[in-house]
Amino acid sequence: KNEVEQSPQNLTAQEGEFITINCSYSVGISALHWLQQHPGGGIVSLFMLSSGKKKHGRLIATINIQEKHSSLHITASHPRDSAVYICAVRSGYGGSQGNLIFGKGTKLSVKP
Amino acid sequence: DTAVSQTPKYLVTQMGNDKSIKCEQNLGHDTMYWYKQDSKKFLKIMFSYNNKELIINETVPNRFSPKSPDKAHLNLHINSLELGDSAVYFCASSRTGSGYTFGSGTRLTVV
Repeated sequence: KNEVEQSPQNLTAQEGEFITINCSYSVGISALHWLQQHPGGGIVSLFMLSSGKKKHGRLIATINIQEKHSSLHITASHPRDSAVYICAVRSGYGGSQGNLIFGKGTKLSVKP
Repeated sequence: DTAVSQTPKYLVTQMGNDKSIKCEQNLGHDTMYWYKQDSKKFLKIMFSYNNKELIINETVPNRFSPKSPDKAHLNLHINSLELGDSAVYFCASSRTGSGYTFGSGTRLTVV
């Protein structure tokens, strides 16, 4: 079982829909990251969270440390949001501190 | 100005060859990383280096070696390339308490 699990693996939405992507993790962490990878391949960091909630434009990310769970929400989705969204946690312990452990990603396709 | 730049973007080479991928960051970050993304798009840490400590993922073959001439550079050398090394390799950097910045990736194809 992967230390970071994302759901769903694939998601198709109509333009304008509200989207939620979930991430659960089983290790102790110092921070959780949401990343976006576009079809062209580049990876962009969207959020870094250690508690609570962050908002940037139409994107909202939340984390519940006690439940070891995070969600990424996209409001008023648009075709340009189509990408793979990757949850990654930064280990809080030992020699691997600072390294990211990745989920397998959620492939989002937003149809016009 | 590109914050984390990798070269080359594409690399096609024959089995058994030795190759290098270069990475440079101009963000003043103190830690640099190499990640491998396999054919199923799964990312995995290979190395992290902060000019004091090199941390190697134990699953990485010793044919792979990072070389850091200074804080702004972390190059990846691969000896005796194998078909299974074909993947996209991402360089990244970070500073304590901040997010990560990724390079655009190097697609390595071993034939």
